[in-house]
Amino acid sequence: AQSVTQLGSHVSVSEGALVLLRCNYSSSVPPYLFWYVQYPNQGLQLLLKYTSAATLVKGINGFEAEFKKSETSFHLTKPSAHMSDAAEYFCAVSSGNTPLVFGKGTRLSVIA
Amino acid sequence: NAGVTQTPKFQVLKTGQSMTLQCAQDMNHEYMSWYRQDPGMGLRLIHYSVGAGITDQGEVPNGYNVSRSTTEDFPLRLLSAAPSQTSVYFCASSSPGQGSYEQYFGPGTRLTVT
Repeated sequence: AQSVTQLGSHVSVSEGALVLLRCNYSSSVPPYLFWYVQYPNQGLQLLLKYTSAATLVKGINGFEAEFKKSETSFHLTKPSAHMSDAAEYFCAVSSGNTPLVFGKGTRLSVIA
Repeated sequence: NAGVTQTPKFQVLKTGQSMTLQCAQDMNHEYMSWYRQDPGMGLRLIHYSVGAGITDQGEVPNGYNVSRSTTEDFPLRLLSAAPSQTSVYFCASSSPGQGSYEQYFGPGTRLTVT
């Protein structure tokens, strides 16, 4: 079985500060890992994905994530937060041939 | 391409009523899934399908039925709505066979059961 743990249901950062959203996964097979973003009252949009190529993955809006097998982690980072980054972020895992299993989400607030 | 479409966007039901949430995709994706989103719970898988004629249960299937007669459509049926089914429902599709492992999501249906 696969599972995802997102540490921190709510993270608050100042505008211009580093964003770090944590994700740890559990998988008995090589995982495919994803970060999605959800803006208020909207659907889910793919930020980035890891599918066994480069371990450092760059996504949209300046976000990136690093796959660390030894730590079973896939943390999401952005060097400088912008007000428009305020949203809910979901980490998800799949074996490739199975539906995604999602974490419970982290709500990011950006303070001016 | 329209991508993944869902209807209706909003629905209010009374306890015991039945209804069908519609989902369609025009990307020829073989995989389709239904999730529900509740505050603090993330997205939980209800049912999924790996191709026409094939469906399977997810984490929270009770109270919901699905069928997949075509590649494009994957309706979700609530047989007898309960207040516990108040949620936002998302349909998604993907195509591992085409090397596309991420899921593409529809805009969601917000369901309230009174």
